[in-house]
Amino acid sequence: DADVTQTPRNRITKTGKRIMLECSQTKGHDRMYWYRQDPGLGLRLIYYSFDVKDINKGEISDGYSVSRQAQAKFSLSLESAIPNQTALYFCATSDLPTAEGPEQFFGPGTRLTVL
Amino acid sequence: TQLLEQSPQFLSIQEGENLTVYCNSSSVFSSLQWYRQEPGEGPVLLVTVVTGGEVKKLKRLTFQFGDARKDSSLHITAAQPGDTGLYLCAGAGETSGSRLTFGEGTQLTVNP
Repeated sequence: DADVTQTPRNRITKTGKRIMLECSQTKGHDRMYWYRQDPGLGLRLIYYSFDVKDINKGEISDGYSVSRQAQAKFSLSLESAIPNQTALYFCATSDLPTAEGPEQFFGPGTRLTVL
Repeated sequence: TQLLEQSPQFLSIQEGENLTVYCNSSSVFSSLQWYRQEPGEGPVLLVTVVTGGEVKKLKRLTFQFGDARKDSSLHITAAQPGDTGLYLCAGAGETSGSRLTFGEGTQLTVNP
């Protein structure tokens, strides 16, 4: 079974609709992240959470909100979707960084298309 | 804001050739990671380098961290079609904890 799961895997929606992307993990990590990936732009951090009651904005948080319902669950919402939010969205988790650095574990991604 | 620039963005080579991908920044990183991503999947960690000048080898892949910890390279010897994928470098800033800054990625295609 996958350690980090995302639902849905694909979603097509219309401008103005509210969308929620869900992420669940069984790794027991406290830290969770939401990224979006666009061609030629790599992965950009939207929001991150280091604990259940901790929410932090990343570099591109405008137009997005998150909810950390439990250690294992981190949801990303688009309150009113717009076409330039069409992208591949990834959830990731990590433990505390070690001397070997902060390894992040990624889900399989959600492909979102906003028409 | 820390930025990581990867080059080249696209690379298409024949099986058996060697290649190098570069990851450069004007910022210092406490560690630098390389991830590989295949279609329909999330990135998977290949290696982390933490010491300036460090070289790590993973079979035919050689990773190097620059002496000043601002840049890194990934060298693949005798590339194989199974090496095809998107390679991403990611840096952890000295005060960013477990947050990572990702480069734009290098899409590698190895043709048989």
